[in-house]
Amino acid sequence: DGGITQSPKYLFRKEGQNVTLSCEQNLNHDAMYWYRQDPGQGLRLIYYSQIVNDFQKGDIAEGYSVSREKKESFPLTVTSAQKNPTAFYLCASSGMGHSGGYEQYFGPGTRLTVT
Amino acid sequence: AQSVTQLDSHVSVSEGTPVLLRCNYSSSYSPSLFWYVQHPNKGLQLLLKYTSAATLVKGINGFEAEFKKSETSFHLTKPSAHMSDAAEYFCVVSRRSVSGKLIFGQGTTLQVKP
Repeated sequence: DGGITQSPKYLFRKEGQNVTLSCEQNLNHDAMYWYRQDPGQGLRLIYYSQIVNDFQKGDIAEGYSVSREKKESFPLTVTSAQKNPTAFYLCASSGMGHSGGYEQYFGPGTRLTVT
Repeated sequence: AQSVTQLDSHVSVSEGTPVLLRCNYSSSYSPSLFWYVQHPNKGLQLLLKYTSAATLVKGINGFEAEFKKSETSFHLTKPSAHMSDAAEYFCVVSRRSVSGKLIFGQGTTLQVKP
């Protein structure tokens, strides 16, 4: 089945530790995205990548880092510099056409709790 | 600049009655518009999309939305609510640009009462 997988579903960390969230897609999509969702709020864009070995900051990139070494994979590292890391993290991908505006497909999410 | 406003944070309906979730958008360019649904602790699922073809868009699970440029609206409707429709719904706008970035509304929680 084609889709996006995120692991783990739940993640617990102590404050001050870096943690990496996995995102893999087998949809052959060029673009991938990371979002953060807090209770009662919409999604906020952390980072996005339109092509391998290239990525751009979204609206709330501080305290996060990413890499895009393979087309299928776009891991997100939540660093100790992120002041409020507890949230639900969603990964998405999109098959970018020439005119853009394509829908994004989402993974099941990872709920990160930092204490 | 683009923005999207979902006019109701919470909507409650009885099972079998119509659903209306309201969304207004602002865009300097011809937008693409989407509705997504999110069940608790799940990812987002695409319900339907508008990309400048027909203004009345039909989606999955009996949902549809109508693009009204004069009113800058893209309201989501369903003739008869089902208990399984209870979820969070997001109206989303995208500028047709290379980045493909989406702008999300704040979400509307749909409650369906038996």
